[in-house]
Amino acid sequence: DQQVKQNSPSLSVQEGRISILNCDYTNSMFDYFLWYKKYPAEGPTFLISISSIKDKNEDGRFTVFLNKSAKHLSLHIVPSQPGDSAVYFCAAGGNNDMRFGAGTRLTVKP
Amino acid sequence: EADIYQTPRYLVIGTGKKITLECSQTMGHDKMYWYQQDPGMELHLIHYSYGVNSTEKGDLSSESTVSRIRTEHFPLTLESARPSHTSQYLCASSEFGGTGGKNIQYFGAGTRLSVL
Repeated sequence: DQQVKQNSPSLSVQEGRISILNCDYTNSMFDYFLWYKKYPAEGPTFLISISSIKDKNEDGRFTVFLNKSAKHLSLHIVPSQPGDSAVYFCAAGGNNDMRFGAGTRLTVKP
Repeated sequence: EADIYQTPRYLVIGTGKKITLECSQTMGHDKMYWYQQDPGMELHLIHYSYGVNSTEKGDLSSESTVSRIRTEHFPLTLESARPSHTSQYLCASSEFGGTGGKNIQYFGAGTRLSVL
């Protein structure tokens, strides 16, 4: 069963605009959430995380929002840059278990 | 900066061959993982280890085996490769346990395996 879902396989935005990537999860036992970024021919690299006790975490141009009641989190990138073009994976963890979504390919056009 | 290395990066091999995918990390992390990922699909955990002499199967059934004789080394072995094993294999490590966003996994660059 897929406990972490990223329903948009791809997203295209214009440079300078906001990119919003979405993720839904089903397991209420997850207590921390992460976003990873993956360039071609490289492994995923950690981008930003959020604990279930928070609803927002910000790091520079990247902000993650968590809506526990909706079991939904999102990653906002403002402003988007061409170098942000990559595949973004959402991950959810708890009780030494971590699940990944299938990823969303973000393309930022100059 | 993550220091986790996988070799080979790419491997094309015939059916029935035995292969070992190497994974090493220099961060002293106790926990290590192997994931399998097909294009456009989520990462599936196939094996993990809590430390030396500890190995566990993940939630995706796999015909591969792993060993953890040293903290820094977590090789994955396929005794007899088949075309169904064609996939990308990602190795990762993390500090043992941790919640609240602290259990960050650091990934290697992956091995793309093709079995003909």
